[in-house]
Amino acid sequence: DAGVIQSPRHEVTEMGQEVTLRCKPISGHDYLFWYRQTMMRGLELLIYFNNNVPIDDSGMPEDRFSAKMPNASFSTLKIQPSEPRDSAVYFCASSLRGEALAKNIQYFGAGTRLSVL
Amino acid sequence: QKEVEQNSGPLSVPEGAIASLNCTYSDRGSQSFFWYRQYSGKSPELIMSIYSNGDKEDGRFTAQLNKASQYVSLLIRDSQPSDSATYLCAVHPNYGGSQGNLIFGKGTKLSVKP
Repeated sequence: DAGVIQSPRHEVTEMGQEVTLRCKPISGHDYLFWYRQTMMRGLELLIYFNNNVPIDDSGMPEDRFSAKMPNASFSTLKIQPSEPRDSAVYFCASSLRGEALAKNIQYFGAGTRLSVL
Repeated sequence: QKEVEQNSGPLSVPEGAIASLNCTYSDRGSQSFFWYRQYSGKSPELIMSIYSNGDKEDGRFTAQLNKASQYVSLLIRDSQPSDSATYLCAVHPNYGGSQGNLIFGKGTKLSVKP
């Protein structure tokens, strides 16, 4: 399996621009997670989906952030308008909930390094 | 607020020594516990999972879980310079709606000196 695929790997944009990050989960996985990682705050969960349905978006910092999962093999995280404080590495991860006690092993993509100037 | 706490380090050990990484968590009902390794500029990768009290060994790695003390640890025996990375502790919380998410600590940076 190719693993979790994220694009782009790097994104540099100017403040006020729209940014769209993309993720393809591992085939057959039913959970998809979006994280943001910074030195100050570590790895923060933004939102996660189960069977394409958003389950918990309480980590989304504000209305400028939105995420969609139109089908089982694709998700987007959009920031509009972007701000310098959004600069971070954004990871997508997927998992398959096992029948045994909450296996919940998450597999991460390579991440998108976002720089907002 | 469910929390996972780790010492940020850096933890420096000589090559061949045992590195001991610790993690505490606040949700007493948590059932699943994970250690991820993250090299600089890379994504987290799972190295150990543990679900029951006691020790779980995998090669040079041993995970230890004590649910009564809400404490998880990772021991790395015969540490190698290639083990130098940030180690993230992750916990699956046990509260309503927590179907699949993990709570991550901020990580402990390990440096193994040749």
